[in-house]
Amino acid sequence: AQKITQTQPGMFVQEKEAVTLDCTYDTSDQSYGLFWYKQPSSGEMIFLIYQGSYDEQNATEGRYSLNFQKARKSANLVISASQLGDSAMYFCAMREGRITDKLIFGTGTRLQVFP
Amino acid sequence: EAGVVQSPRYKIIEKKQPVAFWCNPISGHNTLYWYLQNLGQGPELLIRYENEEAVDDSQLPKDRFSAERLKGVDSTLKIQPAELGDSAVYLCASSQSMNTEAFFGQGTRLTVV
Repeated sequence: AQKITQTQPGMFVQEKEAVTLDCTYDTSDQSYGLFWYKQPSSGEMIFLIYQGSYDEQNATEGRYSLNFQKARKSANLVISASQLGDSAMYFCAMREGRITDKLIFGTGTRLQVFP
Repeated sequence: EAGVVQSPRYKIIEKKQPVAFWCNPISGHNTLYWYLQNLGQGPELLIRYENEEAVDDSQLPKDRFSAERLKGVDSTLKIQPAELGDSAVYLCASSQSMNTEAFFGQGTRLTVV
């Protein structure tokens, strides 16, 4: 079974609008962490935001926020006020448990921001 | 502060030839990872180091892949011999410790012809 599911292969958004990138996960662990990374065409994976399973508040980092719905096992990324430079691949990832240090990635969503 | 540095950025080799990739993690980061990213997929872990010890190499195809991290700093990943299916991007990442975010390098894009 897929541990991380990103159902949107591609998304379009107009500059200055908000966009939500979907991510659902599957785990039986109580302790886990959820990450979002951005991968521009240069290839580097850029860390955006982190949500711990015990965090009660949704994580926010500047224009990025994570809409964490634990019961639904979803961790959607919201980008507010999109910019042309936000065009990239976006990957959701999960780290399970307190011992394993392996990040499991989804297949990614390609976001394109147009003027 | 310098990020994770990888070299080369691009490599084209003929099948059955050997190839090596180099990674210099962020200074002070004890944990180092090598990930494989196939086209259209998310990265998959090959091996993880805590200092110089490989603590998770369960996904590393040991018949042709090897890795080392001497002195717990730089790391090299080697493939010998390379196969057509090894064409992919090889990403190196480091983190300060377990359960902190990992920072990635720009990757090495390998093409085997």
